[in-house]
Amino acid sequence: AQSVTQPDIHITVSEGASLELRCNYSYGATPYLFWYVQSPGQGLQLLLKYFSGDTLVQGIKGFEAEFKRSQSSFNLRKPSVHWSDAAEYFCAVGEHGTNAGKSTFGDGTTLTVKP
Amino acid sequence: GAVVSQHPSWVICKSGTSVKIECRSLDFQATTMFWYRQFPKQSLMLMATSNEGSKATYEQGVEKDKFLINHASLTLSTLTVTSAHPEDSSFYICSARNGQGGTEAFFGQGTRLTVV
Repeated sequence: AQSVTQPDIHITVSEGASLELRCNYSYGATPYLFWYVQSPGQGLQLLLKYFSGDTLVQGIKGFEAEFKRSQSSFNLRKPSVHWSDAAEYFCAVGEHGTNAGKSTFGDGTTLTVKP
Repeated sequence: GAVVSQHPSWVICKSGTSVKIECRSLDFQATTMFWYRQFPKQSLMLMATSNEGSKATYEQGVEKDKFLINHASLTLSTLTVTSAHPEDSSFYICSARNGQGGTEAFFGQGTRLTVV
């Protein structure tokens, strides 16, 4: 069965500093991978996704992620964090075939941004 | 495109009553919809997969008689929480997959259920 691990429960960075959120997955085939952001009391917003092709994926709000098959990782990065980036971040793996669209989420990483 | 709308955004109900949450795909036909539950400060957990015109498939540990799912049309799935109790208070989120060869599902904005 597929699984997603986000090793960091909570990360604090200073505004303007770079950010990397880790995500490791387990899936039997080439995975569909997603990063979502969730502000308190809100729904999910899709930041970026990887299906195939270029392993460096650009997303919204200046985020990018790199798919590394050898490490089973899909880490999210941002070169300069803004205070408005403080939120909960979820990595997810999506299934293929008849179960396409079914997603398994990691436990999330809470990002705090210091002024 | 690919807009999914949930209604209501939030609902408060009394213990013992039932509440229905709607999930609509606004600009595509969704043969499959998924229902997730998120407890405070936790991740999203899949409750069930809803296929148009057939019975839902529930994940292990989810009571199908308590969480009734109906997917009667290609644009609407409903989740009814029956005989709600305070422990059912949670954030419920649906997602919908385009039936025309879709490879991903698009999420609604979620429904905050509070049972008092």
